Amino acid sequence: GQNIDQPTEMTATEGAIVQINCTYQTSGFNGLFWYQQHAGEAPTFLSYNVLDGLEEKGRFSSFLSRSKGYSYLLLKELQMKDSASYLCAVRDENDKIIFGKGTRLHILP
Amino acid sequence: GAVVSQHPSRVICKSGTSVKIECRSLDFQATTMFWYRQFPKQSLMLMATSNEGSKATYEQGVEKDKFLINHASLTLSTLTVTSAHPEDSSFYICSARDPNSILGNTIYFGEGSWLTVV
Repeated sequence: GQNIDQPTEMTATEGAIVQINCTYQTSGFNGLFWYQQHAGEAPTFLSYNVLDGLEEKGRFSSFLSRSKGYSYLLLKELQMKDSASYLCAVRDENDKIIFGKGTRLHILP
Repeated sequence: GAVVSQHPSRVICKSGTSVKIECRSLDFQATTMFWYRQFPKQSLMLMATSNEGSKATYEQGVEKDKFLINHASLTLSTLTVTSAHPEDSSFYICSARDPNSILGNTIYFGEGSWLTVV
């Protein structure tokens, strides 16, 4: 079956760094997404990893290890506006995107 | 700007009525679109895969007669919630695959539609 796990909630301090982990077990793998979603809004795309390794995009970086079924999203220099839910999603062999339950990130001043 | 547009963004309907939500790909032809539902404080749950010119494929537990999906053209898929009930109140969001995107099969999300059934 499909299973994507990520922590339910995390708290970090403004200006700090936080790493949100995601592990997955899916039927086939065609890439892993990270989305940010503010309450009441549609998800916005952050990153897409297909190959192993780290991809950096400004303050956000995403890492993938396909052999371990593991990814993380790294957020640096946290800002208050980064308070949101972060969704890990895997694209399976049929192009379906299966979402994890999301991690609610709280940023403290 | 948005490459996938959903309409309406918010809709309120009476219990027992039907409501239609549209998902349009603006700059590309989408042979495949996906429909998701998200209840408050929960993640997005895939409801069905919409294929242009053929019947939609529904996920387990999703009633195909209640959630009618039509993908009549390469740029439009519609989700009709029939005989809506208050428990159908949710955030519905679509996504569309661009087969000709630079990244190859990039998937874009619509803005989502809030449905409230009263």
